[in-house]
Amino acid sequence: DIQMTQSPSSLSASVGDRVTITCRASQSISSYLNWYQQKPGKAPNLLIYAASSLQSGVPSRLSGSGSGTDFTLTISSLQPEDSATYYCQQSYSTPRTFGQGTKLEIK
Amino acid sequence: QVQLVESGGGVVQPGRSLRLSCAASGFTFSSYTMHWVRQAPGKGLEWVALISYDGSNKYHADSVKGRFTISRDNSKNTLYLQMNSLRADDTAVYFCVGERIRQINMATIQSFDYWGQGTLVTVSS
Repeated sequence: DIQMTQSPSSLSASVGDRVTITCRASQSISSYLNWYQQKPGKAPNLLIYAASSLQSGVPSRLSGSGSGTDFTLTISSLQPEDSATYYCQQSYSTPRTFGQGTKLEIK
Repeated sequence: QVQLVESGGGVVQPGRSLRLSCAASGFTFSSYTMHWVRQAPGKGLEWVALISYDGSNKYHADSVKGRFTISRDNSKNTLYLQMNSLRADDTAVYFCVGERIRQINMATIQSFDYWGQGTLVTVSS
């Protein structure tokens, strides 16, 4: 199975800050990497697919990059509504493993 | 609009069985690979099982293999998860998920585009 490791596990940042979350795969997954946002009590929501393609309706301040084993999710200017937990997920192979999550809090 | 509505969760004793259902609407259910994903209280997301659009291919996580079975009835637009020999560590919110497939630069990209609201399964004596 492919292991997905996110860092950091949690972070706190201020409105307007630039925030980066990283995700590392245990083997190369090309660009088969998706990012999800989950708010408390809600289902996850797809943000980015294929490492860098923005899902329809997702604000352009979010972006994704990377290929192979190393990926990043960047929020260019943090907003209060970005407070959530973020997960990466590989779709290269089954099982479709997730990272352990990164909890983002607003200071 | 797309809707996935799970049902069948509840409190069950260890060793007993439960069947979850997921009613789909707003999209061509019979064309989509479907998944179950679970989330234990305060924990991250864990993929559980997938079934191909026509039910011909099924895969289960090692943690549930031999105990859980995914199935679907395309005539009823419904996905199922039969859970047997339940254990305390199966306690979680179970999400029904629809997978979208896109062709990008000659690659087939899959992503979990459609999620239900989840149903809570609590395994406790």
